[in-house]
Amino acid sequence: AQSVTQLGSHVSVSEGALVLLRCNYSSSVPPYLFWYVQYPNQGLQLLLKYTSAATLVKGINGFEAEFKKSETSFHLTKPSAHMSDAAEYFCAVSTIIQGAQKLVFGQGTRLTINP
Amino acid sequence: GAVVSQHPSRVICKSGTSVKIECRSLDFQATTMFWYRQFPKQSLMLMATSNEGSKATYEQGVEKDKFLINHASLTLSTLTVTSAHPEDSSFYICSASLGWDNEKLFFGSGTQLSVL
Repeated sequence: AQSVTQLGSHVSVSEGALVLLRCNYSSSVPPYLFWYVQYPNQGLQLLLKYTSAATLVKGINGFEAEFKKSETSFHLTKPSAHMSDAAEYFCAVSTIIQGAQKLVFGQGTRLTINP
Repeated sequence: GAVVSQHPSRVICKSGTSVKIECRSLDFQATTMFWYRQFPKQSLMLMATSNEGSKATYEQGVEKDKFLINHASLTLSTLTVTSAHPEDSSFYICSASLGWDNEKLFFGSGTQLSVL
């Protein structure tokens, strides 16, 4: 079964610093991978997705993620953190169960930005 | 992007009562809606998949008589937690799909259920 593991339930960085949120996946087939962001009191919003095209995927708000098959990783990065990036981030893998495409989520990482 | 409205955002109820949560796609028709449950500091766990006009498909370990799902129209799905108990206290999130591609999957803002 496909799964994802997010390393670190809470990450704290200073404004302007590099953001790195870690995600490792487990999949027996080429995976479709996603990063979602959840701001307080809002629904999940798609940041970016990997679907076996380019290994470096660019998303919204300056985020990007690189698919590394050798490391089974799909880490999310942003060169310079902004206060508005404070949120909960979820990595997810798409899997097909009984003919239906479904998402399996990681535990989430809460990103805090220090002024 | 498309908007999914989930209501209520927070509900407190007594043990033994039933609670209904609504999930509406406001500006699109959703053939499929999903219900998730999230415990503190844990990931979203898929509970069930509902398709308009048919019975919901429940994930293993989810009691279908406990969590009643109705998807009567292309814009509305409801989750009813029947005879709620404190262990049912959790954060429930719905999502609605525009199509097969998960890029067209839109989430509600969630419902925090507290059972006393």
